[in-house]
Amino acid sequence: GENVEQHPSTLSVQEGDSAVIKCTYSDSASNYFPWYKQELGKRPQLIIDIRSNVGEKKDQRIAVTLNKTAKHFSLHITETQPEDSAVYFCAARGLYNTDKLIFGTGTRLQVFP
Amino acid sequence: GAGVSQSPSNKVTEKGKDVELRCDPISGHTALYWYRQRLGQGLEFLIYFQGNSAPDKSGLPSDRFSAERTGESVSTLTIQRTQQEDSAVYLCASSLTERTYNEQFFGPGTRLTVL
Repeated sequence: GENVEQHPSTLSVQEGDSAVIKCTYSDSASNYFPWYKQELGKRPQLIIDIRSNVGEKKDQRIAVTLNKTAKHFSLHITETQPEDSAVYFCAARGLYNTDKLIFGTGTRLQVFP
Repeated sequence: GAGVSQSPSNKVTEKGKDVELRCDPISGHTALYWYRQRLGQGLEFLIYFQGNSAPDKSGLPSDRFSAERTGESVSTLTIQRTQQEDSAVYLCASSLTERTYNEQFFGPGTRLTVL
């Protein structure tokens, strides 16, 4: 079945620096890749997503890139702020083998002021 | 509008007891998902419902776990003969439909502690 690997598991950056989180997926039929942010003690919330027909998508300080050939996608956060501190989960949805989201194991991002 | 709600928010039970967790999805959302999140861990898929289709139960960890959904409304996740390893936050999510690029909206979760 679909498997999603996420790295790193923890990431510490200084405020203002950039942060990059990477994920790889196994199902070449996957066509949708959302990213969720989960603040401490709160529910996961969608922050950005990308479909398999585009290579990059930006929304202010966050961007996601997708390399379908290599089956990996990445989250980029620029000009990090303390409020970016949270756990970030990538996910992949398969088209044929599975219709559910398979989540990565999460990256705990800590932004130091 | 109202988001996904779950009850109870916290549940403490003794090993061997049965528990029922409830999820009220966003009105009009046909797809509903249950996930388990152990402390400091990722989101583990359990089961999803889509309209009147047969649910995908492929993530249920054992036959002690079951879930039901009435039409396109409330769902209950039942854990029978609870074990300590069942302790986790159980998250419910809903979306307009699971076969398109629709965002999953999560509930606040139920924190289950099995003593």
